[in-house]
Amino acid sequence: QKEVEQNSGPLSVPEGAIASLNCTYSDRGSQSFFWYRQYSGKSPELIMFIYSNGDKEDGRFTAQLNKASQYVSLLIRDSQPSDSATYLCAVRSGGYQKVTFGIGTKLQVIP
Amino acid sequence: EPEVTQTPSHQVTQMGQEVILRCVPISNHLYFYWYRQILGQKVEFLVSFYNNEISEKSEIFDDQFSVERPDGSNFTLKIRSTKLEDSAMYFCASSERFTGANVLTFGAGSRLTVL
Repeated sequence: QKEVEQNSGPLSVPEGAIASLNCTYSDRGSQSFFWYRQYSGKSPELIMFIYSNGDKEDGRFTAQLNKASQYVSLLIRDSQPSDSATYLCAVRSGGYQKVTFGIGTKLQVIP
Repeated sequence: EPEVTQTPSHQVTQMGQEVILRCVPISNHLYFYWYRQILGQKVEFLVSFYNNEISEKSEIFDDQFSVERPDGSNFTLKIRSTKLEDSAMYFCASSERFTGANVLTFGAGSRLTVL
């Protein structure tokens, strides 16, 4: 069973701080890694994806991938109250179309 | 911006009834998916569809479920005889390709309530 593990939270950070969200995965054959944001009652929306070891930056967001440790993280700089949502880590294994999601970490940004 | 559209947004049905959920994927996308999310739980993969056939399916996608692309635009999920535990949000998604990032774009979802 290919698993994606996340701490469900909530993770509370003050406005303007850095939020750090973490995810581990079990399948060493995983090739693509995604972070989605999901507001309550809404569908997941893509924040960013990464498939090479290291960091990938997009505006206030940085995704970090370490395949040796089977670990992917998302940093949100200058957190805003509008960032309050559940952040879903998702993983695609090589040779498969299926994307497996974690439970998501609920982030609360306190004004 | 292109989007995936789903209908209905909410459907209430009696246990044992058949339900069809409809989706219009993004027009140049080739891969189509159904996921579901029971309240408070993970987004779970049900099935993927490519070139007019199922390419992958999960253990959840049993004989009660079927998918179809009846024309060039619609992609449907049918649940033949609904159970209480089928109550969930059902998300349709599509992606442009399989290799590389395979980014899924989700529709707004169809909430199914089985009474």
